[in-house]
This record gives sequence, structure tokens and C-alpha cells, in this order.
Amino acid sequence: GDSVTQMEGPVTLSEEAFLTINCTYTATGYPSLFWYVQYPGEGLQLLLKATKADDKGSNKGFEATYRKETTSFHLEKGSVQVSDSAVYFCALTYGQNFVFGPGTRLSVLP
Amino acid sequence: NAGVTQTPKFRILKIGQSMTLQCTQDMNHNYMYWYRQDPGMGLKLIYYSVGAGITDKGEVPNGYNVSRSTTEDFPLRLELAAPSQTSVYFCASSYPRTSGRTSTDTQYFGPGTRLTVL
Repeated sequence: GDSVTQMEGPVTLSEEAFLTINCTYTATGYPSLFWYVQYPGEGLQLLLKATKADDKGSNKGFEATYRKETTSFHLEKGSVQVSDSAVYFCALTYGQNFVFGPGTRLSVLP
Repeated sequence: NAGVTQTPKFRILKIGQSMTLQCTQDMNHNYMYWYRQDPGMGLKLIYYSVGAGITDKGEVPNGYNVSRSTTEDFPLRLELAAPSQTSVYFCASSYPRTSGRTSTDTQYFGPGTRLTVL
């Protein structure tokens, strides 16, 4: 079945460091890909998405590119802030199927 | 817009008790979902609904029931609570959009209900 794999956390960075969180997927069709963020005590919020190959989603300085050839959707940010500390979930949808990765906890230290 | 609201925020149940988790959305979304999130894990789909009067099972439906009598409300019922149902429960909604056969849905999540069964 469809699945999403994320790099294991927690990830701890200093402020202004470069961030990469890896995400790869397995899907039988051509899914849409998402990154959601969960701040402490809150529900998930959409961070960015891409609906077809080579699309780049971006928001709040975060970016991810839909790579069909490597079945990947890695999340990047050039300079993280303390306020980016959260859990990040990679997810895919295809038709009625919704699959979330296990989440990667990011801690940014001042 | 309040978005997706969930009540209660926290609840402790004894084994064998029952309860209903409430979920309401005011965005006129057709699709609604219930997920559970166990510590350190991703979300698992319990049930979903594509419109009023239509519900279907997700990955982990055992021990739960749902109903969808209106577009706005999608309550989740636990009939005989068990310790294995200790989790954080999230409700979500979406307005389905597709590009060809591919869903491009964005899901909007409620703040969650933290349930402990002792």
C-alpha cells in the first residue's frame, strides 16, 4: 500500500542553521504531497503542498520539490528560527487515501 | 470562521465507559475525518465521511462509531473504552479538489482531544 517515510528525529539545530527533513514515499498512482506542521498543544496546519511532479511548494521560508524520479519531497529552510520548533509531518493523498509519516520533531536553540 | 472545533479538550475515562467526541466545522466542507495520534507516531485514520449520511472506515475503526447527520458535525463515539484507546484524537475537514484522478485536498485540523483510559 501507499506509505510515507521520514527521517527520524529529534532534530536539534541552532538558530539560523540550514534545515533539511527528508521524506520519501511509495504510491501506486500520482499522489499530491504535503508538509504539515504541529506546534505544541495544537492540531496540524498545512505548511506547503505540491500536486504534480517538479512542482515546488513554499511557505514561510520553507520549500519542498516534488521529485517523481526519486519519490521524494524533502523539506528545506535556509535559516531556521526558534519559532520553527515543532513537529513536521510529510503526507500524501491519492483519491480517498490519506497517509501521514510518523513526524519529525525539530528543536531550534537560540 | 472558527474553522474546526473539537470538544472536550481533555478527558479521562474508566475502562468500559462510553463517550462522544464532538467535531464541528463551519467551512461547509463535504469531507470530514477522524484520526488518532499515539505518542511519537503519525496519524492513523479511524473513519471518514464524504458528505451527510455517508461514512466509511479508515485504517483503525475497531472500537469506534461515527455518524454524519449534518454537513457541519461529525461526532466520534467510543462505546466501551479500553486502555488501547488512550490517544490524542484529531478531527479534520476538507473541500475535495482534484486534478485528474489525483486528490489535491488540503485538510484543516481541529486542536485535538486528549483522551486517557484508565
